[in-house]
Amino acid sequence: GAGVSQSPSNKVTEKGKDVELRCDPISGHTALYWYRQRLGQGLEFLIYFQGNSAPDKSGLPSDRFSAERTGESVSTLTIQRTQQEDSAVYLCASSLRASVWGADRSYEQYFGPGTRLTVT
Amino acid sequence: AQSVAQPEDQVNVAEGNPLTVKCTYSVSGNPYLFWYVQYPNRGLQFLLKYITGDNLVKGSYGFEAEFNKSQTSFHLKKPSALVSDSALYFCAVRVPSGGYQKVTFGIGTKLQVIP
Repeated sequence: GAGVSQSPSNKVTEKGKDVELRCDPISGHTALYWYRQRLGQGLEFLIYFQGNSAPDKSGLPSDRFSAERTGESVSTLTIQRTQQEDSAVYLCASSLRASVWGADRSYEQYFGPGTRLTVT
Repeated sequence: AQSVAQPEDQVNVAEGNPLTVKCTYSVSGNPYLFWYVQYPNRGLQFLLKYITGDNLVKGSYGFEAEFNKSQTSFHLKKPSALVSDSALYFCAVRVPSGGYQKVTFGIGTKLQVIP
């Protein structure tokens, strides 16, 4: 079946420009996550969406970063006035929602291939 | 707050030898624990998870991990390392809280298997 897809796969932009990254989660996955991975670094949590609940934005590094999700489908991560330190791979992941407390559901995340952002 | 520690930036092991990649966690409540692997130039892939039941869980590619509640650890192991196991490994934790599924990842451990 189709996995998580992200577009574009690569994006080169000039400092100060805005960029928009897209994520298409697996159909039926209500949870969606954005992470950032700088070169040689670990995963940095950015934002988490769960159904119609308010998103957890605690990982967004500045007010230049924002994300939206329409229902339980596509999400876009927007970076305004990009800076060179924004250069990284931006990863999206989705997972099933635990609709029943304590049920053994498939909580693992399925990751997209990422968008490599280079700010020049 | 939940957190994950991977104390080793890099682990080197000779091909054919057993390998261990360490992970400890800190949560309030019973954790769900995960290992993910990121091969060079490839996306992150799920390896295995501990939800409940047997403390020793088996996953893909011959990997296994042991949940130790008293030591709050979930170390990844493999009896005999392959060169193809060389990759970046991430430990992750979440605490079930209704439908909330925020997952916290460790910073990753680079595994280098030497031929």
